[in-house]
Amino acid sequence: KNQVEQSPQSLIILEGKNCTLQCNYTVSPFSNLRWYKQDTGRGPVSLTIMTFSENTKSNGRYTATLDADTKQSSLHITASQLSDSASYICVPGGPGRRALTFGSGTRLQVQP
Amino acid sequence: EADIYQTPRYLVIGTGKKITLECSQTMGHDKMYWYQQDPGMELHLIHYSYGVNSTEKGDLSSESTVSRIRTEHFPLTLESARPSHTSQYLCASSESPSGGYTFGSGTRLTVV
Repeated sequence: KNQVEQSPQSLIILEGKNCTLQCNYTVSPFSNLRWYKQDTGRGPVSLTIMTFSENTKSNGRYTATLDADTKQSSLHITASQLSDSASYICVPGGPGRRALTFGSGTRLQVQP
Repeated sequence: EADIYQTPRYLVIGTGKKITLECSQTMGHDKMYWYQQDPGMELHLIHYSYGVNSTEKGDLSSESTVSRIRTEHFPLTLESARPSHTSQYLCASSESPSGGYTFGSGTRLTVV
């Protein structure tokens, strides 16, 4: 059964601090993994995409890593800002699937 | 800059009313999706379409219906709204089922 587990479920950090969010998945077949950011009341927005052969991908202060062998990914946020407060959703994708599955993700709150 | 548009952004209606939630995209994507999401929860796929005149039900049972007469337009209709339909409805499109999804801003529906 395809599954995605993200940790922690929620996280509170102070503005300016770094944090790392974790994702373990068992999706098969697997071809890529995306991290999405979802602000409250809005649709998810794609942050990064990595194919199974890539190990890391950056988008500004966001850096994602992927280990396809252990089926683990992480999202590192550097120098957090108040606007980083959102849910971060790990979404693995692969051929033969009719649509992507979006979990509830990790809820990040950045406090001043 | 949004390439996928949902209207209305917010809607409060009475029980028993018929409503249509609009979704349009300008990217020429064949694949379109409707997800339903309650606050803090995962997204549930309720309908998807792989092209004109192609529609399928998703994972979550829904009393809504959809149509796909034009590539750019994927409206969702509730024939008789009930309080249990109160939720956020998110429309998305993509080039492939496992590729990157572009989401609209969502419609927040409240049935009283």
